Amino acid sequence: DTEVTQTPKHLVMGMTNKKSLKCEQHMGHRAMYWYKQKAKKPPELMFVYSYEKLSINESVPSRFSPECPNSSLLNLHLHALQPEDSALYLCASSPRGSGGYNEQFFGPGTRLTVL
Amino acid sequence: SQQGEEDPQALSIQEGENATMNCSYKTSINNLQWYRQNSGRGLVHLILIRSNEREKHSGRLRVTLDTSKKSSSLLITASRAADTASYFCATDARNSGGYQKVTFGIGTKLQVIP
Repeated sequence: DTEVTQTPKHLVMGMTNKKSLKCEQHMGHRAMYWYKQKAKKPPELMFVYSYEKLSINESVPSRFSPECPNSSLLNLHLHALQPEDSALYLCASSPRGSGGYNEQFFGPGTRLTVL
Repeated sequence: SQQGEEDPQALSIQEGENATMNCSYKTSINNLQWYRQNSGRGLVHLILIRSNEREKHSGRLRVTLDTSKKSSSLLITASRAADTASYFCATDARNSGGYQKVTFGIGTKLQVIP
């Protein structure tokens, strides 16, 4: 299995809802990432897990809560989001720990709309 | 602020022509990567060039790196309509916490007209 999968593909939620995004990879990669991408903008790093430990939190608001239950799974729990949080949320993994010395493999993303 | 800035931001060419995209960055890097993104989808890694390399090839792709000018270029030769996508350079840099992280540039949107 050489891909990163993300579910759901699309998500519409209200500002009072609680939802979760899921990301999975079975390539034995040791780092996993969450990015947020607004239209016509580059991906912005949110969180990095390296060897199942949170190594980078780019000052993301607490309404986004990451979780790495095991080396293959990465979740992003969403609560009390704002309409400006609507974006494409991308998950990625890389073979070795976090850092720029190895390529990242991206999932197809979850298109999130907050009403 | 973005570490990498691509130039041009948009490029439209005829099929068969070559496409050149440039990326400039501000701080020292260990390596630079190029990624491609089809509209609204995930990114695909194209090529990684290390700071001690000057040029790298992969199929129809040629990447150069000039660390003295803090710039890189991506050349796609004999373009095809299927090359239509956004192309991002990505540089690694140490964040305030001391961790190496990858930062994406603003991207070049390439349109190849059949």
